Amino acid sequence: DAGVTQSPTHLIKTRGQHVTLRCSPISGHKSVSWYQQVLGQGPQFIFQYYEKEERGRGNFPDRFSARQFPNYSSELNVNALLLGDSALYLCASSFWPGGNEQFFGPGTRLTVL
Amino acid sequence: KQEVTQIPAALSVPEGENLVLNCSFTDSAIYNLQWFRQDPGKGLTSLLLIQSSQREQTSGRLNASLDKSSGRSTLYIAASQPGDSATYLCAVIGAGGTSYGKLTFGQGTILTVHP
Repeated sequence: DAGVTQSPTHLIKTRGQHVTLRCSPISGHKSVSWYQQVLGQGPQFIFQYYEKEERGRGNFPDRFSARQFPNYSSELNVNALLLGDSALYLCASSFWPGGNEQFFGPGTRLTVL
Repeated sequence: KQEVTQIPAALSVPEGENLVLNCSFTDSAIYNLQWFRQDPGKGLTSLLLIQSSQREQTSGRLNASLDKSSGRSTLYIAASQPGDSATYLCAVIGAGGTSYGKLTFGQGTILTVHP
């Protein structure tokens, strides 16, 4: 079975632009979470979705938004990009949003110039 | 607010040594604790999951323990190999309030195993 997949692998944008990152969870998993990992730090929670509804939001500005589709895949959108948004964006999937083991994708490396 | 701390920040050992990585967390209201491995520039690979009601989990040369009441976990790696070189991350899933279902990570321990 395929693991969590993310696209694109790498992305280079300039300040002020908009970006959309995509994630497909493991088959059967209905919960998707997004994390931001800045170089040298542990990942920081951005959003969690379950059954197409937002179940949690981390301490990120409104420039960050997400959604989950009927097939449980998810998109993370970031508007008005800042240099500080440069990071590895990780998607995790699990059966449900509680205590299940979470499985991560390979990440999308976003560079903002 | 949950805070997770990992000690040491970096560790360099010769091949064959047994080693211990430490993780502490401030809020004992957790569902479980998960240890991950991350290779440079890559995603996270789940190593072990310990439910809050469990004391330890083992997988091959890895053993993780959990003392929920004291807010501590250790990851024990036996007979280390150069292929074990990576960053090891500890994360807890919150059991209630704003932490529910959310992974809170430590900053990681960078492990280097020399041949």
